[in-house]
Amino acid sequence: EPEVTQTPSHQVTQMGQEVILRCVPISNHLYFYWYRQILGQKVEFLVSFYNNEISEKSEIFDDQFSVERPDGSNFTLKIRSTKLEDSAMYFCASSGRQPGNSPLHFGNGTRLTVT
Amino acid sequence: GESVGLHLPTLSVQEGDNSIINCAYSNSASDYFIWYKQESGKGPQFIIDIRSNMDKRQGQRVTVLLNKTVKHLSLQIAATQPGDSAVYFCAENEDSSNTGKLIFGQGTTLQVKP
Repeated sequence: EPEVTQTPSHQVTQMGQEVILRCVPISNHLYFYWYRQILGQKVEFLVSFYNNEISEKSEIFDDQFSVERPDGSNFTLKIRSTKLEDSAMYFCASSGRQPGNSPLHFGNGTRLTVT
Repeated sequence: GESVGLHLPTLSVQEGDNSIINCAYSNSASDYFIWYKQESGKGPQFIIDIRSNMDKRQGQRVTVLLNKTVKHLSLQIAATQPGDSAVYFCAENEDSSNTGKLIFGQGTTLQVKP
């Protein structure tokens, strides 16, 4: 069964450094998302992306965050200058049909640790 | 808003029994709901979904019930197995959102005793 893959599985970085989290969505999907989950808490929406542009972003997704689909298969999340509070699991997701009609399929996440 | 929630943080059941996990939401504009299962170290895994024009939907060993009058969603798991042990999240999609943004609840941990 097709799946969303994320790399790396664990990223450790120092505060102030830039990180790029990578995702390969399911190949025929058109809608892409990033969510995050702070340890022990619920999953929170960060951003949705369709047709090469952001369609919606949360207030968490400030100027330090950006997303890109550099080619036909990858979808990346960049954090320009990491803060301690950015430590969390970051999940990429994709869906194949119009939002609100099909579920999001999630990857297994990247655990980001900012020290 | 951030309104999706669950009634119980932990549910413990005996193997073979049926499990019922509940979820309350407050946004009447939500029209699509999904249940996800999250095992330790993994991402949310799709279980079952339901649109607001339905009140019940069945899958393999799982049933989702939607009561729009009281804004309540439940997940029923029949003949619960040890492999069902995980955290279960309900998520809602607001009708006004065409972007697929999901609002997740806090999660209920299901523990299955052998």
